[in-house]
Amino acid sequence: DAMVIQNPRYQVTQFGKPVTLSCSQTLNHNVMYWYQQKSSQAPKLLFHYYDKDFNNEADTPDNFQSRRPNTSFCFLDIRSPGLGDAAMYLCATSRRGTGRVDTQYFGPGTRLTVL
Amino acid sequence: TQLLEQSPQFLSIQEGENLTVYCNSSSVFSSLQWYRQEPGEGPVLLVTVVTGGEVKKLKRLTFQFGDARKDSSLHITAAQPGDTGLYLCAGERQGAQKLVFGQGTRLTINP
Repeated sequence: DAMVIQNPRYQVTQFGKPVTLSCSQTLNHNVMYWYQQKSSQAPKLLFHYYDKDFNNEADTPDNFQSRRPNTSFCFLDIRSPGLGDAAMYLCATSRRGTGRVDTQYFGPGTRLTVL
Repeated sequence: TQLLEQSPQFLSIQEGENLTVYCNSSSVFSSLQWYRQEPGEGPVLLVTVVTGGEVKKLKRLTFQFGDARKDSSLHITAAQPGDTGLYLCAGERQGAQKLVFGQGTRLTINP
C-alpha cells in the first residue's frame, strides 16, 4: 500500500544533543511537510518542500532544519533540542499541481522526548 | 486570531447519541479536509470537500461544506466508542499552499 512512513516512532534524546527524524513516502507526491504537534493541539507547520524548493515558516526556530535528498525522503534535523521541543513530529505529503486539490496525507508521527 | 474556529473543543457523549462538530471562518477556502487522530498516531484523512454546498457521507459520518465555502460541519449518527478521537478540520486558502487547522475537537464516546 502507498503510504507515508516515519522512523523512528519514538525518539529519546538529551538536552542539546542533535537528533534527526526521517520520513519516506511511496505516494510519489511532490510536496513533503513537517509539522510539530504538542499535546491536544493542532499540528503546527514548520516547513515544507515543493519538489526541491524549501519553504520555511516565518516562526520556525533556526534550531530546526530539513533536507530532502530525493523525492521519497525528507529529514528533520534538530540541532540542539531543548525541553520545549518535546512533541510529536508529523510528516505529511501531497501532490500539488494546477487545478489539483492539495490534500495532505500524514505519517504516524515520531514522538520526541528530550531529557 | 484563529482563522478556523472549531467547536466544541471537547465533547463527551453516550454511545448511540448523535453529534455535530462545526468549523467556521470568515475566510473562503478552496478546499477543506477533515481528519481523525488517535493518541500517539498521525491524523487520518476522512474526507476532502471542495464545492460549496457539497455533502459527503462516510458510513455514519456526514460532512457538509457551506455554500460560501467558509464553514463546514461533521455530523455523526449513532456514535460508537470507536469514534473516539481528536477531529481536526483543515482548510486550504486559494494560492496559500498550506493548510490552516482548527483547534480540534476531542470527542469521547462512552459505552
